[in-house]
Parts: sequence; C-alpha cells; structure tokens
Amino acid sequence: DIVMTQTPLSLSVTPGQPASISCKSSQSLMHSDGKTYLYWFLQKPGQSPRLLIYEVSNRFSGVPDRFSGGGSGTDFTLKISRVEAEDVGVYYCMQTIHLPLTFGGGTKVEMK
Amino acid sequence: QVQLVQSGAEVKKPGSSVKVSCKASGGSFSNFTISWVRQAPGQGLEWMGRIIPMLGVTNYAQKFQGRVTITADDSMSTAYMELSSLRSEDAAMYFCARDLSLVIMPGVRPFDIWGQGTKVAVSA
Repeated sequence: DIVMTQTPLSLSVTPGQPASISCKSSQSLMHSDGKTYLYWFLQKPGQSPRLLIYEVSNRFSGVPDRFSGGGSGTDFTLKISRVEAEDVGVYYCMQTIHLPLTFGGGTKVEMK
Repeated sequence: QVQLVQSGAEVKKPGSSVKVSCKASGGSFSNFTISWVRQAPGQGLEWMGRIIPMLGVTNYAQKFQGRVTITADDSMSTAYMELSSLRSEDAAMYFCARDLSLVIMPGVRPFDIWGQGTKVAVSA
C-alpha cells in the first residue's frame, strides 16, 4: 500500500498569515498518462470532506484562489496564502493512483 | 446538481452486520464509481472499497476483504455497503463519495461529491 505522510500534525495560524502543509508518498504518484493523482481535502468539524485540489495543483470549482497545490513525484504541498477563519479544519491528502486508495493522517489547522 | 444521501444512524451489536445505503439524486449515477470511506471517532479517513454500478465491478481494501460487500442497484441510483462481523473498532462514520467518472464530464472530478455520512455505533 502507498503510505501518505502529512506534516505537521497541527498548525496554529494567525489570520492573514500563510500556511503550508506537506504530504509525502511512499511511491511516485505519477501515472504513465502524465498525470499525478494527488488530491487535497478539507474536513470542517461535523462535516463531510470537501475537495479542494485535484491532480496536485488544480483548484476545484468554487475553491478560493488563496489555496494552491504543488509538488511532483512523491513530495507535495498545500499552501494557503492568507489564512481566514473559515479555513479551520483538518486537511487530508489522498492518492488515487494505486489501490487501495490511501489518505494522509491529516493536518489540523486552527486559528491563533 | 447530484447529491448523495445516506441512510440514518445505526446501533449494532458485536458480531452482527450493518448495511448503509447511498442514494444519488439530481443527476446521473450510472456513469460513476462510488467509493466508501470510513472515519473512526477523532481519527482520519480510511478507504474501504468501491463499485462501478453500471458494471457491478468492485474493489476492496485488503483490510476489509471478506467482511465488506459493496453493491449497487442502478435502477434505484443507490449504492450499499454492508459490513459484517462487527466489532467495537468498526464504530465510525461511514461516507460514500462519487469517485471516478466513466465518461468525460466537464467540471466533474473524483471525490467531488460526498454523502452526509452515516454513524454506526457498535455496542452490546
């Protein structure tokens, strides 16, 4: 199974300041079709996960442009340029290149 | 806009089975794969398996192989996840999510739509 490792476990951020979350996979997530199958989700308390980023760097419809994803191969990053109060929750990365699909352990983002 | 609506909370005894449903409304069901993901209290997300309703093809995580059965009724636009031999560690929130599309559809991405979750408690 592909192991997804997220760091940090938690993040306390001042509103308006940037935040960055790392996700490392135990194998390359790049497919022979040229795409890299790494996704980012945000789960707010009491809610279902919500898709933020697909295929490393593509913002899903309706996701604010303060969210950006990057990386390649086995190293990926989610960045929030200026954190807002509504961004609190747990962020998960997920790979879909190999079965079983696997998630990172999550990064909890809180406001200072 | 497609919504996935799951069945209500369940309380089950150890050793029994639970069957959770996930009904798609407001759009196509047949062209998609449906995945099931669970989340134990205070824990992360764990993929259990998925089904292509149109074909009846399933994939399961090894961890749940033999205990989980995912089915679908295409005519009812409903997918089901049945977990047997329940133990206390199976107490969790269970989510269905729209996974891969079998056809190219603008604006549609894997895991863009999730059900609201179904809480399963396991208690003697």
